[in-house]
Amino acid sequence: QVQLQESGPGLVKPSETLSLTCAVSGYFISSGSYWGWIRQPPGKGLQWIGTTYHSGSTYYNPSLKSRVIISVDTSKNQFSLKLTSVTAADTAVYYCARLKRGTWYVDYWGQGTLVTVSS
Amino acid sequence: QTVVTQEPSFSVSPGGTVTLTCGLTSGSVSTSNYPSWYQQTPGQAPRTLIYSTNSRSSGVPDRFSGSILGNKAALTITGAQADDESDYYCVLYMGSGISVFGGGTKLTVL
Repeated sequence: QVQLQESGPGLVKPSETLSLTCAVSGYFISSGSYWGWIRQPPGKGLQWIGTTYHSGSTYYNPSLKSRVIISVDTSKNQFSLKLTSVTAADTAVYYCARLKRGTWYVDYWGQGTLVTVSS
Repeated sequence: QTVVTQEPSFSVSPGGTVTLTCGLTSGSVSTSNYPSWYQQTPGQAPRTLIYSTNSRSSGVPDRFSGSILGNKAALTITGAQADDESDYYCVLYMGSGISVFGGGTKLTVL
């Protein structure tokens, strides 16, 4: 059974960098799926942040592209999100996800982790 | 920038049928957008319902179905049940690795 688990600080100060990691179990990251990050501000809808492949190819939401880096560590079977220069608007539940190659849908979700941006 | 549109809210009677739609502010939705649908209840991660327009995810009851209706993707719930009361999100693949969520539809069953 594929499982994804987000981890990282729950509180980040404004202007600093938000860093999250998604540990994958039950599946090798290098086996051929895509991996993504999705977020949901409190009381609002879901927003696609970006997607990566184990080769290092990345695809970002144009509205966040200047601040986002998604990377893969195949040796640890995990992938990561960095979001720079955060503001209160970046406060959200952040989900990591596996995307089925070729059909671009999420077939496995992490449970989500709340990150609050506040001083 | 193209926006993915969904009805903000919808209501259905228990046992009734409801169709939620997913469109584009510019252009038509096609199977090449690989429409997918997700159900979310408060405090929970989304659950995948439909992918590639009309394929049901594992364990999803067959009263959930997907299609293309006119120029939009559609999610139809036949025989609505109380626990179908949730938020529903569609996602469209826009090419070049980019996917976009719709704003979501809050479905009330009453």
